[in-house]
Amino acid sequence: GIQVEQSPPDLILQEGANSTLRCNFSDSVNNLQWFHQNPWGQLINLFYIPSGTKQNGRLSATTVATERYSLLYISSSQTTDSGVYFCAVWTNAGKSTFGDGTTLTVKP
Amino acid sequence: NAGVTQTPKFQVLKTGQSMTLQCAQDMNHNSMYWYRQDPGMGLRLIYYSASEGTTDKGEVPNGYNVSRLNKREFSLRLESAAPSQTSVYFCASSVLTTGELFFGEGSRLTVL
Repeated sequence: GIQVEQSPPDLILQEGANSTLRCNFSDSVNNLQWFHQNPWGQLINLFYIPSGTKQNGRLSATTVATERYSLLYISSSQTTDSGVYFCAVWTNAGKSTFGDGTTLTVKP
Repeated sequence: NAGVTQTPKFQVLKTGQSMTLQCAQDMNHNSMYWYRQDPGMGLRLIYYSASEGTTDKGEVPNGYNVSRLNKREFSLRLESAAPSQTSVYFCASSVLTTGELFFGEGSRLTVL
């Protein structure tokens, strides 16, 4: 099946710093989504982004489907950004595959 | 508008006991899913239902059964719980099987 690799696995930042999270996938996908899992375990939708670039406040994402990767940018990080960031991809089969996530810790 | 609602939120079982996790969505979505999340890992698909009346296996279906009761509800049953099924279970729904996924808050299951 399709492989999804996220990097880096762990990231520690000072508040106010910027970061880039990467998601590589091994095959063609129909769609891609980024999630934030907060410290309470809730999964929050960030972006539904099969291709192109989207922005929402301090967060933006870019997916280059032809090169099989997606990037999530976090600018001016805040302590509330802490948690685990997952990307998930969908293939023609309709089944989603999640990466193992990037654990972000933002220190005040 | 509650979105995706799961019950119960917490459950402790003994090995061999059975239980059903319930999930309901009020977004008129066609597709529903059950995932499990183990510590330090991403989510793995157990079963999904592309539309009312259909169910399909995901990556880790062994030990589970599902029922798509109607368009709103999708239940997950453990017939004989095992310690390896200790996990956090998430239900999700989407308009289509490749559409944007919306999650419930999770159900933490411990099997002793």
